[in-house]
Parts: sequence; C-alpha cells; structure tokens
Amino acid sequence: SAVISQKPSRDICQRGTSLTIQCQVDSQVTMMFWYRQQPGQSLTLIATANQGSEATYESGFVIDKFPISRPNLTFSTLTVSNLSPEDSSIYLCSGGDSNYGYTFGSGTRLTVV
Amino acid sequence: SQQGEEDPQALSIQEGENATMNCSYKTSINNLQWYRQNSGRGLVHLILIRSNEREKHSGRLRVTLDTSKKSSSLLITASRAADTASYFCATDLNQAGTALIFGKGTTLSVSS
Repeated sequence: SAVISQKPSRDICQRGTSLTIQCQVDSQVTMMFWYRQQPGQSLTLIATANQGSEATYESGFVIDKFPISRPNLTFSTLTVSNLSPEDSSIYLCSGGDSNYGYTFGSGTRLTVV
Repeated sequence: SQQGEEDPQALSIQEGENATMNCSYKTSINNLQWYRQNSGRGLVHLILIRSNEREKHSGRLRVTLDTSKKSSSLLITASRAADTASYFCATDLNQAGTALIFGKGTTLSVSS
C-alpha cells in the first residue's frame, strides 16, 4: 500500500495567519482526501482533492477557508486560512483505492494562539 | 455526517483478555474498514471486509460483517498493552471515488 509523508507534523500559529500542510504519496493514487479531527473526536471529511481541478468540499467547509491543491497524482496541499482558535485540530490526508483500503498521513497537529 | 457508531465508546481490559468492538452503520456499503489510531497520531489500516464477505481474519484480529443488520464487529484476541489505542470503523459507500465515513471510535485500554 502507498506511504504518505505529511508535513509539518505540528505547528503553533498566530490568529489571522495561514498554515499550509503538504502530503506526498510514494506512488500514484486515484483518490486523495483531507480530514479534520478535533480533540477527542472522530474524523470529519473536509474535501476530496481532485487532480487538476477544484476540490469537492463537504457541507460546512468552503474553499476560501480551506483551499486545496492537487497538481498531480502523488501530491496535495491543504491550507487553513485566517486561523482562529477553533481551527486547532489534527488535520490528516488520506489516499489510495477504496477496494484495498486507504493510507493516512501521520497528521498535522495545529494549535492556534 | 457520521455513518458509523461504535460501541462501546471506551473499553478497559487486562492483558490476555479479548476485546470486542461493534460498529453499526446506516446506508448500504461497498466495504467496511477498521483503523487504529495511537494517541492522536496517524491512522493505521487494520482490515477491510467487503460487503459480500461475512468474516475475515488477520493475525489476532477477527472482523465480522452482517449487512442485514448493518453492523460489524472487531475482535482482538489475547490483547497486549501495545493494543491500547482508539479503533475506528469506516464505511466506503456504494459510489466510486467516495471517501470513507468514520464512526466515533472506541478507546481501548489494555493494562498489564
């Protein structure tokens, strides 16, 4: 199965700034997704990162706040913009094939101060 | 939105005991997957069971799926302290290219 390198692993950011998270997959994957996991909670899907086109966002998540890029089949970025303390969470990327299971990055723990 | 509901939310057992976690879901699925997460880190894929399968084994793990009841169970036999983690079920819907939808998870604590 694919291996995903996600960085940064953690960051502390000031309010109003932005953080860009990168995920690099060691092989081409059809699907890539971004999730948010708030403290003590399960994973909530933010969006599907589409290669070469705009991401597909879930209800409650918008492109202005969470712009996503996916320039090729092995790389994607998620930016969390105009940060507020409510954005403090773990952000995870995922990729793979639904028939064989998805691989996850190790997560980015974001703290907004 | 949440698809799966795990039961129990928390489970504490002694080393050597078996741990059983259950997951229920709402809509028809293509497959169901179980993941482990250690202390807020990345998720590790444990096992995938397809909708036409009823039982699957992997080492000390045994997963069952009952599509008529829309439920699955994960059994960890002869548990170890290293099994302490959160366990999530995730469903893959009957639509090509859809993301996994995760349940709320079960927190397992295994004490030595």
